[in-house]
Amino acid sequence: DQQVKQNSPSLSVQEGRISILNCDYTNSMFDYFLWYKKYPAEGPTFLISISSIKDKNEDGRFTVFLNKSAKHLSLHIVPSQPGDSAVYFCAAPPYNQGGKLIFGQGTELSVKP
Amino acid sequence: NAGVTQTPKFRILKIGQSMTLQCAQDMNHNYMYWYRQDPGMGLKLIYYSVGAGITDKGEVPNGYNVSRSTTEDFPLRLELAAPSQTSVYFCASSPTGGGSPLHFGNGTRLTVT
Repeated sequence: DQQVKQNSPSLSVQEGRISILNCDYTNSMFDYFLWYKKYPAEGPTFLISISSIKDKNEDGRFTVFLNKSAKHLSLHIVPSQPGDSAVYFCAAPPYNQGGKLIFGQGTELSVKP
Repeated sequence: NAGVTQTPKFRILKIGQSMTLQCAQDMNHNYMYWYRQDPGMGLKLIYYSVGAGITDKGEVPNGYNVSRSTTEDFPLRLELAAPSQTSVYFCASSPTGGGSPLHFGNGTRLTVT
């Protein structure tokens, strides 16, 4: 039962263009979502989050959009840079379950110069 | 402030051997977690702990054991290693539950042959 799904294993974009990474979820009780970024041979690092009381959260070049009715969120990176090349995971904490996170499968982003 | 430290970085085990993956954090976080990541998959929770002396199972606990005798340390024990336990293991910590961002170590790459 994959409660958080990232259906695109990979994405390739040109430097300077927009990268859009998508994430779908099935559990309507999720009320908070996080995005993590992972470089090879390193652990994931927290990137940006969004609460279900918002539909958008922005931090510099990174914006996360939440569509609760569609149970869908997306991460926009504008403009994309080669250093953004990494695997991106979306994640959500199940309600009242000790702080653990359920992760999607990840999308590998490649930004080409 | 080293964050979350995992040792060893790499290990090869023979089937049936045992080992302990070490994890230590110096941020005084109450919550600690063990995840595993298989190729093309997201991170799956093995065990977690909400404080010293308290542990609980995650999604994939079979074949593993944990203990939490101090706030700082959260070792993961593999008994009778099997090829299905070949994976990259990540330890993480967070100050609270409820979706506060997790801080990850850089992982232990384990191969069981």
